[in-house]
Amino acid sequence: QSVLTQPPSASGTPGQRVTISCSGSSSNIGSNTVNWYQQLPGTAPKLLIYRNNQRPSGVPDRFSGSKSGTSASLAISGLQSEDEADYYCAAWDDSLSGRVFGGGTKLTV
Amino acid sequence: QVTLKESGPVLVKPTETLTLTCTVSGFSLSNARMGVSWIRQPPGKALEWLAHIFPNDEKSYSTSLKSRLTISKDTSKSQVVLTMTNMDPVDTATYYCARIQVSGDYDIHDYWGQGTLVTVSS
Repeated sequence: QSVLTQPPSASGTPGQRVTISCSGSSSNIGSNTVNWYQQLPGTAPKLLIYRNNQRPSGVPDRFSGSKSGTSASLAISGLQSEDEADYYCAAWDDSLSGRVFGGGTKLTV
Repeated sequence: QVTLKESGPVLVKPTETLTLTCTVSGFSLSNARMGVSWIRQPPGKALEWLAHIFPNDEKSYSTSLKSRLTISKDTSKSQVVLTMTNMDPVDTATYYCARIQVSGDYDIHDYWGQGTLVTVSS
């Protein structure tokens, strides 16, 4: 059971917009920034969004992040087949004094 | 060019101790703004953070695994070592090391190793 809660799956058709939620608590998302990672099949995770809504260089602006209270969201617009991957949210947890990941969301395009 | 590479046994027996090494290049383990985490992923399951270490030797461990983990570094060799005692089949996973970059009020795992699959079986 992950500390951060994500839906196990999401789906969309090419061109659509999808959102993936990440629910936490006051000790993690509520008081710290959220990062999102994309994991393509058979590969290591890759940083997708950091500090709630910032994109590293090279990440398309189709990807966006937001945070409100103890929840965060990842939005992907103009869905493409290459976006089919697992997506994980992550944050520091003050109560645990450690990093926590969500359970991951498998996106099917 | 920043790279991280995990190395260690592919197969360990139950109750044995696992020792994994992360060899880094392209940055220094003495850089105050950079640390290294170990993260694992059982087959078909989610990522799980295990531990991290920073240049000032600050260490932090997963609460649930703290009693079994030890993280250390050898700056001169550019290596971070993780040991996990009393291995069990449920510890079968791909183990990743990742660089942590700290900036102000946030930090990120910006570079990851390719991962190494460790199987626990007799």
